[in-house]
Amino acid sequence: QQQVKQSPQSLIVQKGGISIINCAYENTAFDYFPWYQQFPGKGPALLIAIRPDVSEKKEGRFTISFNKSAKQFSLHIMDSQPGDSATYFCAASTHYGGATNKLIFGTGTLLAVQP
Amino acid sequence: AAGVIQSPRHLIKEKRETATLKCYPIPRHDTVYWYQQGPGQDPQFLISFYEKMQSDKGSIPDRFSAQQFSDYHSELNMSSLELGDSALYFCASRRESSSTDTQYFGPGTRLTVL
Repeated sequence: QQQVKQSPQSLIVQKGGISIINCAYENTAFDYFPWYQQFPGKGPALLIAIRPDVSEKKEGRFTISFNKSAKQFSLHIMDSQPGDSATYFCAASTHYGGATNKLIFGTGTLLAVQP
Repeated sequence: AAGVIQSPRHLIKEKRETATLKCYPIPRHDTVYWYQQGPGQDPQFLISFYEKMQSDKGSIPDRFSAQQFSDYHSELNMSSLELGDSALYFCASRRESSSTDTQYFGPGTRLTVL
């Protein structure tokens, strides 16, 4: 089953608006939650990441909100621009013995920012 | 800054043929991960290596094998190719001793099986 659930599947936002993508997980052993941006035919690129010891992290126009008790986290893109149009994946991974394990990805959100 | 290099970028094979995908991690990165991404799907973990030893294994078919060499580059060998193996294959690398968990992805190899 999908260990990391992501919604919505697709999102259309007007230029300058706020894009919000949500993810939920079940495995409480997850302790690293990155968001990746992927353009067609390209590899995923890290956008921003958070650990469960903080509830929010902001980098430029991108903010992650994290709710440990609800096992949910979300990506907010402020002042969305047409260049932000891409597929966004949330992901989760764990640490075991100091080694970072595989990324478990959500199903992705196709974002289209209309000019 | 140097990035993850994957070769070839595109590969077309016939059913039942063999393919070899190569990954060259960022310099000083000692951990390599392989992911498979089908059309419109999320990347699925296949296998990973740390210091030339297999560190984790996901849903990788028995027809596939991989290894990491002394220079830390990795190769994914795929035999008896099936139509369903057509996908984007990504390699990601990371330096285990770094303070960040970031996995850096390469541009991918698009494999088409006819």
